[in-house]
Amino acid sequence: QSVLTQPPSASGTPGQKVTISCSGSSSNIGGNTVNWYQQLPGTAPKLLIYNNSRRPTGVPDRFSGSKSGTSASLAISGLQSEDEADYYCAAWDDSLNGWVFGGGTKLTVL
Amino acid sequence: EVQLVDSGGGLVQPGRSLRLSCAASGFTFGDYAMHWVRQAPGKGLEWVSGISWNSDSIDYADSVKGRFTISRDNANNSLYLQMNSLRAEDTALYYCGKDMFTMVRGAIRSWGQGTLVTVSS
Repeated sequence: QSVLTQPPSASGTPGQKVTISCSGSSSNIGGNTVNWYQQLPGTAPKLLIYNNSRRPTGVPDRFSGSKSGTSASLAISGLQSEDEADYYCAAWDDSLNGWVFGGGTKLTVL
Repeated sequence: EVQLVDSGGGLVQPGRSLRLSCAASGFTFGDYAMHWVRQAPGKGLEWVSGISWNSDSIDYADSVKGRFTISRDNANNSLYLQMNSLRAEDTALYYCGKDMFTMVRGAIRSWGQGTLVTVSS
């Protein structure tokens, strides 16, 4: 059971916009920033969004993040087949004094 | 180009120890916090431990506290994870990660390729 809650799966067709949610509590998302990671099959994770909504250099602007209260979301617009991957949210937890991850959302591009 | 090369994994019996290493290159290692994150087969990501740029701040997940020790050698651009009293539930692919900042509360910007630890009799 993960501290942060994500839907186990999401799907969309090419060109569509998909949103993945991440729910936490006041000790993690509510008081700290959220990061999002993309993990393509068989590869190491990649940082997609940090500090709730900032994109590292090289990440397309099709990916965007937002946070409100104790929840965060990742939006992917103009969905492409290469976006098929697992997506994880993460936040620092002040009670646990460590990083917590969501359980991951498997995105399927139909 | 940032490179992180994880090594030291293998098959180990329950209760035994193992030491993982991460060799870093392509950046000023001593300027950044570092992390270990693991992923059990077919499961999600679990943060294991983080260490600040100067080793002054170290944190562990509750699941490994008291058994694992993170350390770094800035002179040799290396990160380590000493794992003692290993359990079957420690079986996972272990990734070394470079933070974006000096402290461990940033974000893991770069990742190693992972080293597999299997705990089994």
